[in-house]
Amino acid sequence: AQRVTQPEKLLSVFKGAPVELKCNYSYSGSPELFWYVQYSRQRLQLLLRHISRESIKGFTADLNKGETSFHLKKPFAQEEDSAMYYCALSGHQAGTALIFGKGTTLSVSS
Amino acid sequence: DTGVSQDPRHKITKRGQNVTFRCDPISEHNRLYWYRQTLGQGPEFLTYFQNEAQLEKSRLLSDRFSAERPKGSFSTLEIQRTEQGDSAMYLCASSLGDGHQPQHFGDGTRLSIL
Repeated sequence: AQRVTQPEKLLSVFKGAPVELKCNYSYSGSPELFWYVQYSRQRLQLLLRHISRESIKGFTADLNKGETSFHLKKPFAQEEDSAMYYCALSGHQAGTALIFGKGTTLSVSS
Repeated sequence: DTGVSQDPRHKITKRGQNVTFRCDPISEHNRLYWYRQTLGQGPEFLTYFQNEAQLEKSRLLSDRFSAERPKGSFSTLEIQRTEQGDSAMYLCASSLGDGHQPQHFGDGTRLSIL
């Protein structure tokens, strides 16, 4: 079964601390992995995707096929990073729907 | 470009009534998706259009649900004989039709069933 698991509902860290939001997936094949973010009172927006290998707002994520993981990391959290983060996967066929995890709320306090 | 637009933002209705939501995608996007999100969950896929063709439907989409995209531009999602369990946020997303393109989401329509 295709599934995305985000084990933490809430992650609370202090400003300047490292952040790791965990994401594990189950998919038979080679999926595309994404991280979406939703800031307070804003719409869901793409943060990054594994094929881009970019760093967006200081966040990076590496696809580990052996561990079927796509954890989101940032070395130094900022208060403006506080948001809901969703990990999602898309099947290998172009145009297929996204399968989302339940999301992790990141709270960064000073 | 204002992005994906959804209307209305909120809809409150009595159980048993029919409701219709509208989604206007980003103008050059030919793929359009509908998702449903309930409290504490991530968005769940409902259906997908490539231009005017409805290519995929989730098992979540019961026969009370119907979606259209008549001219390959805006889309409507109708729920007939609404039930309490239909209360959710209904999200629309669109993307370009070239390979694996990221989906851009609207603000959603929040449906509350009394």
